Amino acid sequence: NAGVTQTPKFRILKIGQSMTLQCTQDMNHNYMYWYRQDPGMGLKLIYYSVGAGITDKGEVPNGYNVSRSTTEDFPLRLELAAPSQTSVYFCASSYIDYTEAFFGQGTRLTVV
Amino acid sequence: GESVGLHLPTLSVQEGDNSIINCAYSNSASDYFIWYKQESGKGPQFIIDIRSNMDKRQGQRVTVLLNKTVKHLSLQIAATQPGDSAVYFCAENRGSSNTGKLIFGQGTTLQVKP
Repeated sequence: NAGVTQTPKFRILKIGQSMTLQCTQDMNHNYMYWYRQDPGMGLKLIYYSVGAGITDKGEVPNGYNVSRSTTEDFPLRLELAAPSQTSVYFCASSYIDYTEAFFGQGTRLTVV
Repeated sequence: GESVGLHLPTLSVQEGDNSIINCAYSNSASDYFIWYKQESGKGPQFIIDIRSNMDKRQGQRVTVLLNKTVKHLSLQIAATQPGDSAVYFCAENRGSSNTGKLIFGQGTTLQVKP
C-alpha cells in the first residue's frame, strides 16, 4: 500500500533550469494538492485538483504549472527555476474535501 | 487578508503533562478543520479533524475544540510523550465557498522534556 509517492526526494537545480516533480497516488483519490514548505514555515498551497482534467491555483502558483491527465498522477512543473523556489515540496491527496489529506514524503529542491 | 495562524511558535512541556496547542482562523466561511503532526524530515500526518457543526471531538489522547464565535480551535494532547515532539499544524478547508482548498497555518513546535 504505497499511498502518495513523490519523486525525486532531493534535487539541485541551476537558475533557469526546468524540472518536473512527480506525484502519484494509488488510493483512487479525487483531490490532489501541491504545497511548498519553506524553513520554519507552514505549508503554502501551490495548485490543487478536484479530479482528472481539473486544476486550480492555490495561494502561491506563480512560477509553477500542473496537469491532471489521470486520477493517479499530478505532476508539478517548474519552467524557469529561481532561488526563491528553494523549498520542500509536498504532494497530498484526499478522497473528497471534508476528509483528511494524505501526504507524500516530500521533495527537497535547491536552486543555485 | 485571510489566514490560518497559530498563537505561539514553540511549546515546551514536561513528559506526562497535558499540552494545548492553539490556532486562530479568520475566515468564518471555513467549515472543516484538521490538525496535522509533522516530524522532522517527514510529510504531515493526520491527527484529528472537526466539522463546523461540532465544538468538540475526541480521539486517542487528543481532543480538538472549536469555538466558532472567536474563530479559534485548539488541540489538546493528554499525557504528552516524547514521541509527541513535532510541529503541529492546523488546516482549514473553505469547503462550500472554495472547494478543495486546504489552507495551513504556520505551525507550533512541541518540545517534550523528559
